[in-house]
Amino acid sequence: QVQLVQSGAEVSRPGSSVKVSCKASGGTFSNYAIGWVRQAPGQGLECMGGINPISGIPHYAQKFLGRVTFTADEWTSTAYMELRSLTSEDTAVYFCARIQDGEIRGTLYGYYYYMDVWGKGTTVTVSS
Amino acid sequence: QSVLTQPPSVSAAPGQRVTISCSGDSSNIGNNHVSWYQHLPGTAPKLLIYDNNKRPSGIPDRFSGSKSGTSATLGITGLQTGDEADYYCGTWDSSLSVGVFGGGTKLTVI
Repeated sequence: QVQLVQSGAEVSRPGSSVKVSCKASGGTFSNYAIGWVRQAPGQGLECMGGINPISGIPHYAQKFLGRVTFTADEWTSTAYMELRSLTSEDTAVYFCARIQDGEIRGTLYGYYYYMDVWGKGTTVTVSS
Repeated sequence: QSVLTQPPSVSAAPGQRVTISCSGDSSNIGNNHVSWYQHLPGTAPKLLIYDNNKRPSGIPDRFSGSKSGTSATLGITGLQTGDEADYYCGTWDSSLSVGVFGGGTKLTVI
């Protein structure tokens, strides 16, 4: 059974960058995309997007465009999320998760998309 | 503002049944499958329902999902105190080309 092991907590200065890793343990994520979700204090889950490790093609939530980069190393089964130009509003727990997605059979445009395996989260604190 | 709309909170007594609604539009729920997650503070979210009404292995049949048009519903029967958590709906948004979540619903078992 695949487990996702995330890197440890980070404290970063405003204006700097942070890079969080997510390693697949007990298997690989070759056939699945990896998504990134964050939860700021007192807020709900927010999907940042994801990346297909094989193709290397990412998809980003518009809110983070230009400020976040997802990468994946197929050989080490590790995905990375780098967030730049940090502000206090980026203080949050960041989760990686395995995405199951694809076209719904019998439909023209229907899509299924869900996250079935989750990392335990990485706390990122942005503070001067 | 979340793309999907959920009630902020629901409550019910132990043993009772509760439903949590999730409303969207044709670019998300209307054309795509819905999933539901249970999230306890300090832990990783857990997938409860996928493809509108399917349960992953290990999820009891007390949890059920349904979808009609641009809305979806999570049902929980035989409520237990251990069910107290935040619940989120999720789906793909074809216009935004990204996954989206509802704002979350806090379930209190009183």
